[in-house]
Amino acid sequence: GAGVSQSPSNKVTEKGKDVELRCDPISGHTALYWYRQSLGQGLEFLIYFQGNSAPDKSGLPSDRFSAERTGGSVSTLTIQRTQQEDSAVYLCASSFRIAEQETQYFGPGTRLLVL
Amino acid sequence: KQEVTQIPAALSVPEGENLVLNCSFTDSAIYNLQWFRQDPGKGLTSLLLIQSSQREQTSGRLNASLDKSSGRSTLYIAASQPGDSATYLCAVHTGRRALTFGSGTRLQVQP
Repeated sequence: GAGVSQSPSNKVTEKGKDVELRCDPISGHTALYWYRQSLGQGLEFLIYFQGNSAPDKSGLPSDRFSAERTGGSVSTLTIQRTQQEDSAVYLCASSFRIAEQETQYFGPGTRLLVL
Repeated sequence: KQEVTQIPAALSVPEGENLVLNCSFTDSAIYNLQWFRQDPGKGLTSLLLIQSSQREQTSGRLNASLDKSSGRSTLYIAASQPGDSATYLCAVHTGRRALTFGSGTRLQVQP
């Protein structure tokens, strides 16, 4: 079956502009996660969704970042007034449910470059 | 705060060698540990998941061990092949509903 898909695959934007990143999880997966991978750094957890709700938003780096999920499926991560330090690969993952033994399946990521 | 460290940061070996990648974590209160593979321009592929109650998991030429009390895990790759070249990431699940990742080991297997 289809895996996790993300769009766009690459995004170049100017500082100060808003961007939206999209994630389509595996069908039937109730849990969805956003991570960020900055150059030379490890993956950093941003936010997760259980269904449409996001119980833990503490990983979002600033109030310029927000995410939503509708219909228990597609999620969008929005970055407002982008800064150069936002440049990174943004990875989305999904799992069948929120459970410690569940494997997270990752998408290919969106490479964001803020000029 | 959980911290995950991977050693070495990079490794280059000739084809056919057996090799070991190391991962250490500071907080032993984990639910599970996963090893992932990341190819350039692609997402992460889960290789092995070890539950906190387990000591090791095997898949083909890969074997991962877990010593929770000492905060260590190793990924053993037998008879390495050029197709194994990738970045290998270790991640622990601490029940915060997300994974904490190490910075990875970049492996190059020379033909």
